[in-house]
Amino acid sequence: QKEVEQDPGPLSVPEGAIVSLNCTYSNSAFQYFMWYRQYSRKGPELLMYTYSSGNKEDGRFTAQVDKSSKYISLFIRDSQPSDSATYLCAMSPSNDYKLSFGAGTTVTVRA
Amino acid sequence: GAGVSQSPSNKVTEKGKDVELRCDPISGHTALYWYRQSLGQGLEFLIYFQGNSAPDKSGLPSDRFSAERTGGSVSTLTIQRTQQEDSAVYLCASIRLAGGPRGDTQYFGPGTRLTVL
Repeated sequence: QKEVEQDPGPLSVPEGAIVSLNCTYSNSAFQYFMWYRQYSRKGPELLMYTYSSGNKEDGRFTAQVDKSSKYISLFIRDSQPSDSATYLCAMSPSNDYKLSFGAGTTVTVRA
Repeated sequence: GAGVSQSPSNKVTEKGKDVELRCDPISGHTALYWYRQSLGQGLEFLIYFQGNSAPDKSGLPSDRFSAERTGGSVSTLTIQRTQQEDSAVYLCASIRLAGGPRGDTQYFGPGTRLTVL
């Protein structure tokens, strides 16, 4: 079993819909949680960062961490075609970038 | 340029050959990380350099893999006696540390796509 599980999708939604992404993990030591967006043939870019449990909102993006369930989520409101990408969850027990990544979920937002 | 560059962008090699992958980070960024991304897999941490400290090699999958960072800038990842399972996209990340992900600035390069025949 992988340390971080993420449904690879693909996920296709109409423009304006809410995109819901999630990951589960098995290592209870994880404290730092991140979401990255990766466009085709590009390197990932950090979207959201959350420390420990809780919610964080940034514009159309909301990240949630539930450590009791070992479950993290990313919501994208009012999705746009430009949101079409692969979204990677990542986490670490320490404040560094030795991250454990999910496999990534490919999202397509249809105009 | 202002971004992270990696070369070559694509590399096809035969099994058993050695390869060198290069990462040019952003000037002034003290931390540099290498990852690889295999088909259908998430990114996998390989090694990181931070300032003048000894590199953290804990993610290297075997002793065929090594990396160095010269002068605190350019880094080279070397894979000796390549195997087919080494086929992946190798990414480096250049990071300006500012106390944690909330303040840090990180940029990934576009990656080197390695194919071992």
